[in-house]
Amino acid sequence: DIVLTQTPLSSSVTLGQPASISCRSSQSLVHTDGDTYLSWLHQRPGQPPRLLIYKISNRFSGVPDRFSGSGAGTEFTLKISRVEPEDVGVYYCTQAAQTPLTFGQGTKVEIK
Amino acid sequence: EVQLLESGGGLVQPGGSLRLSCAASGFTFSTYGMRWVRQTPGKGLEWVSSISPNGHDTYYPDSVKGRFSISRDNSKNTLYLQMNSLRDEDTAVYYCARIMGRDLDSWGQGTRVTVSS
Repeated sequence: DIVLTQTPLSSSVTLGQPASISCRSSQSLVHTDGDTYLSWLHQRPGQPPRLLIYKISNRFSGVPDRFSGSGAGTEFTLKISRVEPEDVGVYYCTQAAQTPLTFGQGTKVEIK
Repeated sequence: EVQLLESGGGLVQPGGSLRLSCAASGFTFSTYGMRWVRQTPGKGLEWVSSISPNGHDTYYPDSVKGRFSISRDNSKNTLYLQMNSLRDEDTAVYYCARIMGRDLDSWGQGTRVTVSS
């Protein structure tokens, strides 16, 4: 199974400041169709996860442009350019390149 | 608006069975693959099963293979998860989610399953 390792596991950020989360994969996430299936989810307290970014860098519908994704191969990054109050919660990377679908352990973001 | 509403969770003894349902609305259910994903404080998010749009193809991780069965009724816009031989480690919040391409673009609110004697 592909293991996704996120760093840091927690982050305390000042409002308006940037935040960055890394996700390292144990194997390449390039699918046989040529796309790289690494996405990012955000889960607010008491809520289900929601899709933020798919295929490394594509923002899902309604996701603010302060969120961006980058990376290739086995190293990926989620960046928030200016953290806002509604950005608190846990962020997960997830891969759908190979079965079984797997998830990172999550990064908790809180406001300092 | 896409809506997914899970139901059927509850308390069950080890070795027991439970059937979860996920009622879908706001989209053409029969054209999307679907997945079940569960979440525990200890193990985080874990994929449980997937099903193709027409229901002919199903997939499971080793942890639930042979015990869980995913199915769907496209005439009722409903996804199911039949869970048998339940174990303590199956205790979790279970989410149904829609597949977009290979990603999960919409999630339900979840239903809690507790396996305990």
